[in-house]
Amino acid sequence: QQQVKQSPQSLIVQKGGISIINCAYENTAFDYFPWYQQFPGKGPALLIAIRPDVSEKKEGRFTISFNKSAKQFSLHIMDSQPGDSATYFCAASRMDSSYKLIFGSGTRLLVRP
Amino acid sequence: EAGVAQSPRYKIIEKRQSVAFWCNPISGHATLYWYQQILGQGPKLLIQFQNNGVVDDSQLPKDRFSAERLKGVDSTLKIQPAKLEDSAVYLCASSLARDSLSTYYEQYFGPGTRLTVT
Repeated sequence: QQQVKQSPQSLIVQKGGISIINCAYENTAFDYFPWYQQFPGKGPALLIAIRPDVSEKKEGRFTISFNKSAKQFSLHIMDSQPGDSATYFCAASRMDSSYKLIFGSGTRLLVRP
Repeated sequence: EAGVAQSPRYKIIEKRQSVAFWCNPISGHATLYWYQQILGQGPKLLIQFQNNGVVDDSQLPKDRFSAERLKGVDSTLKIQPAKLEDSAVYLCASSLARDSLSTYYEQYFGPGTRLTVT
């Protein structure tokens, strides 16, 4: 029940295309859902995050879509660029606990020029 | 603003040896986290400190792993003795101390220490 399942494992997109990464969770107590971006040799960095009281959040080319009833959330990267090539992790946490982040297994995104 | 510093960046040891990793969080961040990231997986929390105290160490293999955060600033994570399955990147992160259950403070990650156990 603590797991966050992420798909796909890897994704190849042409420059200018839309990248979509999906995550699903079981624990309905989760109430904070961040996405992290990780480049090789670097630690993860927060990209965008959402609370379950909204169904969508957009920041620039990055959008989180959240479906509370289905217990799913996804990251959409519009107009994907080669510089977006990285590994993306979804995560979930409970705000009333120790901020413990449960991470998905990651998606390796490659954006071809 | 300086980020989270970790050292060493790489370490290769033989199984049954011991190893220690060091982390210096962002100045003013009272909360410090150690994560283990096995190749191809997401980070897994090992231990969380708030100042000097342990908040969560439920996933720390206490028979071989130990961590301390003296004076509420720097932290050290130790493995003794190491096993082959401990090969991973060990990430340190820090955040501001929470002052409300409705506020989430971003966790800032260091570059990690890549440990290879042979």
